[in-house]
Amino acid sequence: AQSVTQPDIHITVSEGASLELRCNYSYGATPYLFWYVQSPGQGLQLLLKYFSGDTLVQGIKGFEAEFKRSQSSFNLRKPSVHWSDAAEYFCAVGLNTGFQKLVFGTGTRLLVSP
Amino acid sequence: GAGVSQSPSNKVTEKGKDVELRCDPISGHTALYWYRQSLGQGLEFLIYFQGNSAPDKSGLPSDRFSAERTGGSVSTLTIQRTQQEDSAVYLCASSLVVLVGETQYFGPGTRLLVL
Repeated sequence: AQSVTQPDIHITVSEGASLELRCNYSYGATPYLFWYVQSPGQGLQLLLKYFSGDTLVQGIKGFEAEFKRSQSSFNLRKPSVHWSDAAEYFCAVGLNTGFQKLVFGTGTRLLVSP
Repeated sequence: GAGVSQSPSNKVTEKGKDVELRCDPISGHTALYWYRQSLGQGLEFLIYFQGNSAPDKSGLPSDRFSAERTGGSVSTLTIQRTQQEDSAVYLCASSLVVLVGETQYFGPGTRLLVL
């Protein structure tokens, strides 16, 4: 079955340090991949998405993600974290089942220390 | 506002009562989705609408759950005879069309607590 794994439940990063959030997927076909961010009490906001082409995708708020087919991964990165980046991050696969059903990972909560 | 809105933002109910959750999608968006976010299950798909039609209801957890959409706009998710395991955040999303790759825009959610 299709699935998304985010192995890190919590990550703490110092402000100004770099960040990498891991995401692995299990899906037979070429996946449609997404990263969403959820701030406390807020809905999900799309950071970036990948369908095809260039495997390095740029998103909003200075985030980028790299699709690696050989590793079934779609890791999210940011070179310098700001305190406002503290939130929960969700990786998702878009399944083509006649419509786009999003299958989400369990999320990674990012804490930013001063 | 231009985003997806949901009401109420919080709902506390007693076990066995019925609840209705409302979603107002972005104007012009033909596709509407309901998801549930709970501690035990994470984010899970419930149902989607193309216009007023719900071709896929496979994610609804039981027959106590139903949803409708009228006028191609507002959607209501109804939970009958609520149970404590229904406690969760119910998220609504909309997209311009029903196509893989279309961005789904999420509302802030309704936090449901069943006592």
